[in-house]
Amino acid sequence: QVQLVESGGGVVQPGKSLRLSCAASGFTLRTYDMHWVRQPPGKGLEWVAVIPYDGTNTKYTDSVMGRFAISRDTTKNTMHLQMNSLRAEDTAIYYCARGRPSDMDVWGQGTTVTVSS
Amino acid sequence: IQLTQSPSSLSASVRDRVTITCRASQDISSFLAWYQQSPGKAPKLLIYGASTLQTGVPSRFSGSGSGTDFTLTINSLQPEDFATYYCQQVNSYPLTFGGGSKVEIK
Repeated sequence: QVQLVESGGGVVQPGKSLRLSCAASGFTLRTYDMHWVRQPPGKGLEWVAVIPYDGTNTKYTDSVMGRFAISRDTTKNTMHLQMNSLRAEDTAIYYCARGRPSDMDVWGQGTTVTVSS
Repeated sequence: IQLTQSPSSLSASVRDRVTITCRASQDISSFLAWYQQSPGKAPKLLIYGASTLQTGVPSRFSGSGSGTDFTLTINSLQPEDFATYYCQQVNSYPLTFGGGSKVEIK
């Protein structure tokens, strides 16, 4: 069945790096836009980044521009989010989601990132 | 594009009819989706294109609107519907979500 599974979350000190992964099954990742969306504790949803189906023209929300990088490995049907120079305000549950032109129709269960000294 | 949802929370009873609104800061045509998030769970797509029900979603859910004003309606609220609901615009990047509307049991 169609499924997304995130991994790589954890507790990290401010200024350090972390790499999240999103493994797709039941569909081919490179035929869809793929997104990262995050949710700080007790707060709402925030879109973070997208890698389009053709792998070009990645986009980011302003607050992570220059610090985060979205990528994919089509041989492993997996997407990644490299997060550098982490800040306390990056603390959140990070979800990966499959994008369609109209919505995000498949979501992973999320992985928790905590940035704290 | 900013999305303003109202109310931010509401109390309702089983079998009630609930309406949540989402207002966009500029015209987004029908590029709006609605999601349901239960506690500890990932968001679930309910409606896309402002009014099209996602496969498998009960017909008591409906969406309407275009341009800047949108509505999510839940007819005959069921126990499993107590959750937080988010609207999302997919008209342009950066994609944005509304602040959420929490539906609680009265």
